[in-house]
Amino acid sequence: GENVEQHPSTLSVQEGDSAVIKCTYSDSASNYFPWYKQELGKRPQLIIDIRSNVGEKKDQRIAVTLNKTAKHFSLHITETQPEDSAVYFCAASPPTSGTYKYIFGTGTRLKVLA
Amino acid sequence: DTAVSQTPKYLVTQMGNDKSIKCEQNLGHDTMYWYKQDSKKFLKIMFSYNNKELIINETVPNRFSPKSPDKAHLNLHINSLELGDSAVYFCASSQDGFVSYEQYFGPGTRLTVT
Repeated sequence: GENVEQHPSTLSVQEGDSAVIKCTYSDSASNYFPWYKQELGKRPQLIIDIRSNVGEKKDQRIAVTLNKTAKHFSLHITETQPEDSAVYFCAASPPTSGTYKYIFGTGTRLKVLA
Repeated sequence: DTAVSQTPKYLVTQMGNDKSIKCEQNLGHDTMYWYKQDSKKFLKIMFSYNNKELIINETVPNRFSPKSPDKAHLNLHINSLELGDSAVYFCASSQDGFVSYEQYFGPGTRLTVT
C-alpha cells in the first residue's frame, strides 16, 4: 500500500525566512497531493493541493512542487510569519479498489520565531 | 455556518464502557470519513462511507462500528473501550470518494479512556 514519508519532523525558522517541508510517496498511482495545516487544538485545514498533471502551484506565500518521477513533493512557505506556526501534514491519495483515500505523512511542527 | 460538526467535543470514560461520537455535514457531500489522531499527531483513516455505503474499512478492531443513517451523518460507536483508544477522532467529508477531492474536517472529539 501507499506509504508517505515527511521530513523534517520539526522545523524552526526566523520570521521572514523561508520554510521547506518535503514528502515522498511510494504508490505511483497517487494523483492528488494536499497539504493540511493544523493549529494547536484545531482541525486540519487544507492550505494548498496539487494534482499529478501539474508540476508546481503557488498561492501567495505558499507553493507546492511535485516531481512525479522521483515521487517527491514539497511545501514552500516564504516570508514566514508567527501565525504560520502549526503542524503541517502532507498526504497522497492513491486509488484503492476504485475509491480514494488520504495517506498522511507524519507531520512537521513548524515554529516561526519572532 | 459549521460545515462539518461533531459531538461531543470531549469524552472521558472508563475502560470497558461503550460510547458513540456523532458527525454531521451540511456541505451536500457524498462521502464521509473517520480518522484517528494519536498522541504523536499521526492521522490515520479508519472508515469511509459514500451515500450511506461503506467503501473504506481499514484494519480497525471490530469494537469500532460506524453507521451512516444518511449521507449527511456518520456516527462511530466504540464498544468495550480500551486505554489505547484514547485519541482525537476526526470526521471529514468530501464531494465524492471515487475522485480525489479536498476533505473538510470536523473539529475533532478528544476521547480519554481511564
